[in-house]
Amino acid sequence: QVQLVQSGAEVKKPGSSVMVSCKASGVSFDSYAINWVRQAPGQGLEYMGGIIPIFGTTDYAQKFQGRVALTADGSSSTAYMELRNLRSEDTAVYYCATVPLYSTVYFDYWGQGTLVTVSS
Amino acid sequence: SSGLTQDPAVSVALGQTVRITCQGDSLRNYYTNWYQQKPGQAPVLVIFGKGDRPSGIPDRFSGSSSEDTASLTITGAQAEDEADYYCNSRDNNGNPVFFGGGTKLTVL
Repeated sequence: QVQLVQSGAEVKKPGSSVMVSCKASGVSFDSYAINWVRQAPGQGLEYMGGIIPIFGTTDYAQKFQGRVALTADGSSSTAYMELRNLRSEDTAVYYCATVPLYSTVYFDYWGQGTLVTVSS
Repeated sequence: SSGLTQDPAVSVALGQTVRITCQGDSLRNYYTNWYQQKPGQAPVLVIFGKGDRPSGIPDRFSGSSSEDTASLTITGAQAEDEADYYCNSRDNNGNPVFFGGGTKLTVL
């Protein structure tokens, strides 16, 4: 079955960067985009962006343009999300999720989430 | 603002039917998807596209849409359906993706 396993929780200082990984199994990177969604404590879901690994193309939500970088390694079926210049309001659970290619855009499988805490 | 509006909270008596709505201009042109999220867990897709259910989602969950409003209906709500529900779709420029603010469903 499809599994997305994310890296562990992180505590970071303001101004630093964080990289979260998302390893996929049971799914072909050729058939999916990997998207990232975050959720601040007690808040709703917020789309950050996505990458189509087979093409290397990326899409970023306007709010995160210039501060987030999405990459993917097809050989290990792992996607990465790097968020730079962290601030306290970036404290959130970060999720990766698959979006089937050539279909309407929906998030069908989700990782378990990675808590990123930004604190001085 | 995402442009997708949901009621913050809805309640339903056990076994009764409840409708959760999502309103936004983009819904006139794009499908709406629905996710269920229980405390401390990742969201789960329950409805996508034209109202399809992923494998494993009970058929008491259904989706519909009219004009600028999409609805998630739970027919015969169960205690385990108590959760937050989020809608998502594209914006009117076709850019993905936006989520509604979420609806907290309480099963009484």
